[in-house]
Amino acid sequence: EVQLLESGGGLVQPGGSLRLSCAASGFTFSSYVMTWVRQAPGKGLEWVSTIGGSGDATNYADSVKGRFTISRDNSKNTLYLEMSSLRAEDTAVYYCAKPERCQDWGQGTQVTVSS
Amino acid sequence: DIQMTQSPSSLSASVGDRVTITCRASQALDYHLAWFQQKPGQAPKSLIYSASILESGVPSRFSGSASGTDFTLTVSSLQPEDSATYYCQQYKSYPLTFGGGTKVEIK
Repeated sequence: EVQLLESGGGLVQPGGSLRLSCAASGFTFSSYVMTWVRQAPGKGLEWVSTIGGSGDATNYADSVKGRFTISRDNSKNTLYLEMSSLRAEDTAVYYCAKPERCQDWGQGTQVTVSS
Repeated sequence: DIQMTQSPSSLSASVGDRVTITCRASQALDYHLAWFQQKPGQAPKSLIYSASILESGVPSRFSGSASGTDFTLTVSSLQPEDSATYYCQQYKSYPLTFGGGTKVEIK
């Protein structure tokens, strides 16, 4: 059974940084593209970033480009999202999903950017 | 960027009704279109991929179809547990994009 478990969310001040993690199990992690999707309070789904199975290919939404970095450690079956220069509009539930068509989702982790 | 225009934004229907939700893409997707169901407080759940292929375990009352750049999610006989928000997503090219969502309520 595929399991995706996000962690690392919390309250951070504007301009601050946070690293999200997504622990994966139940499938061959290194074989799959992985994706981060977020959902602001009361809003729809917004794609954030995607990374290839080997970690070489990455893509970002314009809204996070230059501030967020996606990475993965295939030896630990873990996906990461390093977030910096955080803004109030980054407040959202962040989900990891597999693969780019998001067949499987984690339960999400809340990120709140506020002073 | 590929824009996904989803309609309607909300609908109310009775149990047993046939419900249709549409997504229009701004360019060809070659069937790289997925549909999701999200209930309050839960993560989205994949229903359909490649425009018309049902995910394992999804009830057969859900179906998807495509005609050019128009994509449709149909619920043949609405059930109380289908009350949720539904989203389409194109995965043909980056940036990946979602439709704005359709909130389905049961009368």
